Amino acid sequence: AQSVTQPDIHITVSEGASLELRCNYSYGATPYLFWYVQSPGQGLQLLLKYFSGDTLVQGIKGFEAEFKRSQSSFNLRKPSVHWSDAAEYFCAVDKSGSARQLTFGSGTQLTVLP
Amino acid sequence: GAGVSQSPSNKVTEKGKDVELRCDPISGHTALYWYRQSLGQGLEFLIYFQGNSAPDKSGLPSDRFSAERTGGSVSTLTIQRTQQEDSAVYLCASSLGGANSYEQYFGPGTRLTVT
Repeated sequence: AQSVTQPDIHITVSEGASLELRCNYSYGATPYLFWYVQSPGQGLQLLLKYFSGDTLVQGIKGFEAEFKRSQSSFNLRKPSVHWSDAAEYFCAVDKSGSARQLTFGSGTQLTVLP
Repeated sequence: GAGVSQSPSNKVTEKGKDVELRCDPISGHTALYWYRQSLGQGLEFLIYFQGNSAPDKSGLPSDRFSAERTGGSVSTLTIQRTQQEDSAVYLCASSLGGANSYEQYFGPGTRLTVT
């Protein structure tokens, strides 16, 4: 069965510091991969997605992610974190290849210190 | 245009009662999804609609859960004889539904509390 693992439940960084959120997946083929962000009281917002091609993908709000097939990883990065980035981040994998059913990781809560 | 809207935003119900949760997708989006977000289970897929039909009902946790969609637009998720373990945030999402339209737009959710 496919699964998505986000090993870090909670990460704290200082404003201006760099950020990397980890995501590993277990799936037979190269899946479609997504990162979503959820701010308190808000719905999920798509940050970026990977389907194929260039393994470094750029998203909104200055985020990027790199797909590494050999490590089955799709880590999210940002060079300089802003206080407004404090939120919960979810990695997701598409089961069907058409984004009909997303399997989400358990999420990483990001705290940003002033 | 407006995003995905859900109602009510909060619902408190007694164990054993039935509840209906409503989702209004983005206009023109043919695909609609329901997810459940709970502390113990994280984000779980429940059901997906393409138009008014639901080709994938595999995520519905029990036969107490059902969903329908009418007119290719509004969807209702119904939970019968609610149990305390049904307490969660129920999220709805919609997407264009065609090829290469993978982005799901999420609503703010309905927080269901079963007492």
